[in-house]
Amino acid sequence: ENVLAQSPGTLSLSPGERATLSCRASQSVSSSFLAWYQQKPGQAPRLLIYGASSRATGIPDRFSGSGSGTDFTLTISRLEPEDFAVYYCQQYGTFPLTFGGGTKVEIK
Amino acid sequence: QVQLQESGPGLVKPSQTLSLTCTVSGGSISSGSYYWSWIRQPAGKGLEWIGRMYASGSTNYNPSLESRVTISLDTSKNQFSLKLSSVTAADTAVYFCAREVGRGSNFWNYWGQGTLVTVSS
Repeated sequence: ENVLAQSPGTLSLSPGERATLSCRASQSVSSSFLAWYQQKPGQAPRLLIYGASSRATGIPDRFSGSGSGTDFTLTISRLEPEDFAVYYCQQYGTFPLTFGGGTKVEIK
Repeated sequence: QVQLQESGPGLVKPSQTLSLTCTVSGGSISSGSYYWSWIRQPAGKGLEWIGRMYASGSTNYNPSLESRVTISLDTSKNQFSLKLSSVTAADTAVYFCAREVGRGSNFWNYWGQGTLVTVSS
C-alpha cells in the first residue's frame, strides 16, 4: 500500500497569503497519478487537481499542483475566504487507492 | 449533470451487515464507461477507499476490507450498493458513493452528499 503523509497537519494563514501544502508518498507514484481535493465541513470532497498538476474543471487558477515521484505540493497563491478548508491528496497509481491524512488550512 | 444520493440505515448493530444504496441520476450506470466507488470517512478523520465496480461486474476492493465487502450494481434501478459484513464500532463513518472522472481514472468528481452510519448496540 502506498501511504501518503501530508504536512503540516494544520496551516494557520490570513486571507491573501500563500499556502503551500505537502504530500509525501511511501512509494513512487506512477505517472504522477496524484490528485488533490478540498473538503469543507459537512460536504463531500471537491476535486481540485489531478495528474499532479492539472486543474479540474472550474477550479480557479490560484490553485496549482506540482511534484513527481514521491513528493507533491499543492499551492494556493492567494487565499480567499472560501479556501479555508481541509485538503487531501490521493494517489491512483496503484491499488488500493489511498488518501493522505489531510491538511487543515485555518484562518489565523 | 450526474448526481448521486446515498441511502440506508443510519444505525447498525455490531456483528450485523451494513447495507447502503447509491442512486444515480443524470446518467446511466450501465451505458457509461465508468467505475462506481464507495469511500468512507470516520468522524474527524481522513478518507478511506472501500472499493469500486464496473458495469461489466468487474470489482476491486481495498484489501483491508475485502473479506467483508461486496459492491453490486442494479442497472434496472440505476443504483449500486455496498454491503459490509460483521461490522464493529470501527466501521462507524460517513459513507460516500462516487463516480470517477473518466473510465479507469480512479479519481472522482461526482460525489454523493454522504450518509452517516453508526455501529452501536
